[in-house]
Formats: sequence, C-alpha cells, structure tokens
Amino acid sequence: DTAVSQTPKYLVTQMGNDKSIKCEQNLGHDTMYWYKQDSKKFLKIMFSYNNKELIINETVPNRFSPKSPDKAHLNLHINSLELGDSAVYFCASSPSIFYEQYFGPGTRLTVT
Amino acid sequence: AQTVTQSQPEMSVQEAETVTLSCTYDTSESDYYLFWYKQPPSRQMILVIRQEAYKQQNATENRFSVNFQKAAKSFSLKISDSQLGDAAMYFCAYRSNNNNDMRFGAGTRLTVKP
Repeated sequence: DTAVSQTPKYLVTQMGNDKSIKCEQNLGHDTMYWYKQDSKKFLKIMFSYNNKELIINETVPNRFSPKSPDKAHLNLHINSLELGDSAVYFCASSPSIFYEQYFGPGTRLTVT
Repeated sequence: AQTVTQSQPEMSVQEAETVTLSCTYDTSESDYYLFWYKQPPSRQMILVIRQEAYKQQNATENRFSVNFQKAAKSFSLKISDSQLGDAAMYFCAYRSNNNNDMRFGAGTRLTVKP
C-alpha cells in the first residue's frame, strides 16, 4: 500500500548510458514532481507535472526527459549519463499544486 | 525568486530535551505555505508540519511546533521531549501559492544524544 513508489532504489551505471527511473503514486494526486538531492543534501526541483502537463521545467540539461503516461506515473529518463548526475532522485506527489508533497523513497543513482 | 535559509548545518540535543531549528525565507508574496520535512537515514522525506501564511496561529503536531513570524520571515521548528528517532536531516521548505514553485533550505542535521 505504498503511497509513492520509485524503482529502482539503487542504480549503478557507466557514463554514457541511458537509464530510466519510474515513479508511481496511488494517492489519486493530480501533481507529481522530480527532485534531485546532491551529495550535500541540497534538494532542487527538476520537473513538475499537473494532470499530465508539464508546469515547471527548471534549468536541467535536456538529457533529462520526464514522461507521464498517465496521472499516476511520472518517469524520468536520462540520456548520456555523466558523473555529475550521481545523486539521489526523489519523486513526489501532491493533491494539487496547493498542498504539501508526499515523497517516494528516492533512487540513488551512481554513475561510474 | 524565493530563497530559504537554514543557518544551522548541524544541531544536537540531549534526549528528552527541547531543540529549536531555525529557518528564514525571502519572499515578496503575502500568501504562501511553509513546511518542515524530516529525512532520516532511510532517506525517506517525511512531512513533519505545515503552516499557512494567512494563519496567525502557530501549527502544532504533537511534540513538534513552529514559531512563525511572518513580518520577520522566520519559521523555526521546536521539537520537545526529543527522542532518538528524531535524529535526521530537517528541511525547511517554502511553497508559493501562486505557482508550483517549492524551495527547500540546505537542511539541518539533528543528532539526539542518549
């Protein structure tokens, strides 16, 4: 009965590879987000989707592409991975843009 | 753009005592939300407490309470009767009511000493 789930929890890959992280929420929320938490624990929003429409696209490299097949899913695809992409990526959801966010468990991405 | 500042990278407290974590923010908006999130070693981000800017009354959730000073743009978190399980990173966050912009502070690492 996990509210916001992410797969995988850990991802180790080599530079130049393409990888995806999946996120699903079963809360019926309209809005979903992706955050990046770097080694210094700083959390930065990357993307936000409201009812499958992108409403925030912070200045992240275009190697990162979010995809929302439906309201309950927001996947993050990363092309040509770089060392600096190593971080923990959090998915979150909220009932609308006006409510607090519920976070997934995070995916630790390590690029070697 | 709104910024959130947590000036205490690390704090420690003795078990059963009280600790206050500081947070200030910068905004030109009058309507917004403030949050405290807890991130234990498990990495999960857990909502601790929320405060609506239009409410004068400070939010309280069991042992957690806030001191919201709107004019000073300050939003501190007080943890009473600290428990070992309170040890975690604590993030202050600001969310605009005009858009979906949510900003987090850099975090405060809280250690609870037995």
